[in-house]
Amino acid sequence: KAGVTQTPRYLIKTRGQQVTLSCSPISGHRSVSWYQQTPGQGLQFLFEYFSETQRNKGNFPGRFSGRQFSNSRSEMNVSTLELGDSALYLCASRFSTSGANVLTFGAGSRLTVL
Amino acid sequence: AQSVTQLGSHVSVSEGALVLLRCNYSSSVPPYLFWYVQYPNQGLQLLLKYTSAATLVKGINGFEAEFKKSETSFHLTKPSAHMSDAAEYFCAVSDGGFTGGGNKLTFGTGTQLKVEL
Repeated sequence: KAGVTQTPRYLIKTRGQQVTLSCSPISGHRSVSWYQQTPGQGLQFLFEYFSETQRNKGNFPGRFSGRQFSNSRSEMNVSTLELGDSALYLCASRFSTSGANVLTFGAGSRLTVL
Repeated sequence: AQSVTQLGSHVSVSEGALVLLRCNYSSSVPPYLFWYVQYPNQGLQLLLKYTSAATLVKGINGFEAEFKKSETSFHLTKPSAHMSDAAEYFCAVSDGGFTGGGNKLTFGTGTQLKVEL
């Protein structure tokens, strides 16, 4: 079956703009998580959604937001972009929020902020 | 709070040699532990996971890891390295969601594995 699909794969924005990233989970997976990966901070948890509800949130400013739709697809939005938001944004899905469930990751969306 | 420490940000081995990537965890509840691999310009791929069953876990591509509670360790090994193993490896811990809410994976800082001829 198809894996986790993230779009777009690459994008370039300028400071002050906003960006929306999309994630389509594996069919049947109802939980979607987002992570930010940077050389300096490594992999950091942004948030997790399950059944259209945010279940957990990482330590990021309010400029970072997300949502999940009834078909489990998810989007994350970053407003008022800063240079430090340049990163690989990874989406991952799993069947439920149980910690034993494996997260399957997409290839990521690489955001460059100029 | 849970955390993971990966000793050695860069490890270099010869092709055919033993691969040993170290991971120590800290968790206030029984942990679930994972190893992921990341190839350039790709996402993370699961190698193996520990979810409180057998302490010796076998994964894909010949990798295995042993959960040692007394040492709070979950080191990744492979008997014989191959050039295709060159990648970045991440150890991660989850608290299992015992709180009933969502839970997250906490990742280590990663170990870049280089395989030399």
